[in-house]
Amino acid sequence: GENVEQHPSTLSVQEGDSAVIKCTYSDSASNYFPWYKQELGKRPQLIIDIRSNVGEKKDQRIAVTLNKTAKHFSLHITETQPEDSAVYFCAASRGGGADGLTFGKGTHLIIQP
Amino acid sequence: KAGVTQTPRYLIKTRGQQVTLSCSPISGHRSVSWYQQTPGQGLQFLFEYFSETQRNKGNFPGRFSGRQFSNSRSEMNVSTLELGDSALYLCASSSPPAGGPYEQFFGPGTRLTVL
Repeated sequence: GENVEQHPSTLSVQEGDSAVIKCTYSDSASNYFPWYKQELGKRPQLIIDIRSNVGEKKDQRIAVTLNKTAKHFSLHITETQPEDSAVYFCAASRGGGADGLTFGKGTHLIIQP
Repeated sequence: KAGVTQTPRYLIKTRGQQVTLSCSPISGHRSVSWYQQTPGQGLQFLFEYFSETQRNKGNFPGRFSGRQFSNSRSEMNVSTLELGDSALYLCASSSPPAGGPYEQFFGPGTRLTVL
C-alpha cells in the first residue's frame, strides 16, 4: 500500500519568514495530494491540494509543488503569521472515489514572534 | 451548508464493551470515510462508504465495522474494546466527481477513551 513520509516533525520559524514542509510517497499510482491544517482540539481543515497533472499551485501565501518523477511534494508558506501555528498533514490518494487518504505523521509548525 | 457532524463528541467505555459512533455528512455528499487519529500512529484510514456500500477498507481488525444508510449518514462500530482503541475518530465526507480525485471535509471527531 501507499506510504507517506513527512519532514520535519517540528519546524520553528520567525514570524514573517517562510516555512517549507516536505513529503514523499511510494505509490506511483497516487494522483491527489492534499494538505490539511489542524489546530489544537480542532478538526483537520483542507488548506490546499494538488492533482498529478499539475506541478505547482498557489493560494495567497500558500503554495504546493509536486515532483511526480521523484515522488515528492512540498508545502510552502510565505510571510508566516502567528495564526499559522498548527500541525500540518500531507496526504496522498489514488483518487477515483474509493481510496482513502494516506497521511504523513504531521509537522508541528511554531511561529516565533 | 452545514458541515460534517459527529455524535457523540466524547465517550468513555471500558475494555470489552462495544461502541457506535455516528456521522452526518454535508448535505449532498454521498461518500463517507472514517479515520482513527492517535498521537503514535497519526491519522489512519479505516473504511469508506458510498451509496451504502463499503468500497475500501484500511488495515484494521474485524472488530471495526461500519455501515451507511440511504440518507448517507454513517455509523462506525467497534466491538470488544481494547485500551489501544482510545483515539479521536474522525469522519470525512466528499462528493466524488466521476473518476476523479476529491476533497474530503472532516467532522469534529469523537474522542473515545477506553478504561
